Formats: sequence, structure tokens, C-alpha cells
Amino acid sequence: DGGITQSPKYLFRKEGQNVTLSCEQNLNHDAMYWYRQDPGQGLRLIYYSQIVNDFQKGDIAEGYSVSREKKESFPLTVTSAQKNPTAFYLCASSITGAPNQPQHFGDGTRLSIL
Amino acid sequence: GQQVMQIPQYQHVQEGEDFTTYCNSSTTLSNIQWYKQRPGGHPVFLIQLVKSGEVKKQKRLTFQFGEAKKNSSLHITATQTTDVGTYFCAPRGVTGGGNKLTFGTGTQLKVEL
Repeated sequence: DGGITQSPKYLFRKEGQNVTLSCEQNLNHDAMYWYRQDPGQGLRLIYYSQIVNDFQKGDIAEGYSVSREKKESFPLTVTSAQKNPTAFYLCASSITGAPNQPQHFGDGTRLSIL
Repeated sequence: GQQVMQIPQYQHVQEGEDFTTYCNSSTTLSNIQWYKQRPGGHPVFLIQLVKSGEVKKQKRLTFQFGEAKKNSSLHITATQTTDVGTYFCAPRGVTGGGNKLTFGTGTQLKVEL
């Protein structure tokens, strides 16, 4: 089955700690995205990558970092600089070079502060 | 820049009633996508509208794109409990932005028996 796998499903972070959220896709999509969703709100774009070894900041990149060393993988690190990290994090992918393509989402990771 | 307003924010209906959510943009759009997110789940792509005045149907769901390509609506006829969730529009402006989508704030639908 093709799809996007996010792990872990739940994650707890201590003060001053960096944590990394995993996102893997086997859809052979070039583009991948990270969104943050707060309760009762829409999705805000953190980072996106349209090709391996390249990525761009989204609307709320401060306190986050990403890498795209492989086509299948787009991990997100929530750094200690992100003062309000508690949220639902969603990873998505789409076919790049085709701006009208839909985005496919993973099941998400819920991050909480201890 | 592009500003997107999605209304209403919440809607409670009795099962069998109709439901409509609206997405309004301050600028002309290139296209618009609609997504549904079930409680506790992730957004799922429903449809994309591209042409001015376009109307598309999926069973009880009707999607419309305005003539001026600045607004869109999603109408559900005779709601069922399976329609519960939050509906997001994701419009793309004509000025580009590549593959970057901007999501509306969503309309949360609750259906009561």
C-alpha cells in the first residue's frame, strides 16, 4: 500500500529538548510538506521541499528545522527555540512540478510539553 | 497578499438537513482545493476546481467555483453522521507560490440524530 507514515503518533518533549518527527512516503512524490495544526484551527505551513536536498521555509518556520537527504524522507526537528511546540503535526506529499496536484497526508504526530 | 476567509466556523445540523460552507478570497484565484478532516484524523483531498463558474458533484456533495474565481462553496445535501468533520478550502492565488497551499480556517460540521 502506498502512503505516508508518520512516527511517533504521540511525542512528549521536555523543556530545552530537541525532538525529531519522522515522515516517510513510498508514493514516489517529489514534494513534501510539514504543517502545524492547533486545536480548532487550520493548517499552517512550516517547511516544504520540492526536491531532494532542497527545502524552503513556510509561514511559521522559526524554531523548526528540516532535512531532505532522501526522496522518501522529510524529518522535522522541533528545537528548543520553539517556545510553544504543543500541536498536531502533519506531513504531506504531492507530485512536484504540477501545482494543481492534491496533497496526501500522514496520520500526524501529537506533540506535548512535559 | 492573499487573505482567505472560510465561513461559518461551526455548523450544527440535524441529520437530513443541508449544509454549506463558503470560502472567500480577497484576490483572484488560480484554483481551489477542498479537504475533509474527520475528528482525530488527517485531511483528505476531496476535489479541485479550476474553471470560472465550475460546478462538480460527488454524490451528495456539490462544489462551486465563483464566476470571478474569488469564492467557492461546498454544499452537502441531506447530511448524514458520516459527514461529521472539518472542511477546509485550500485556494491558490494567480500570483504563484509554487506548490505551496494556503488552507482556510475550516468549517467544523456536527450532525445530530
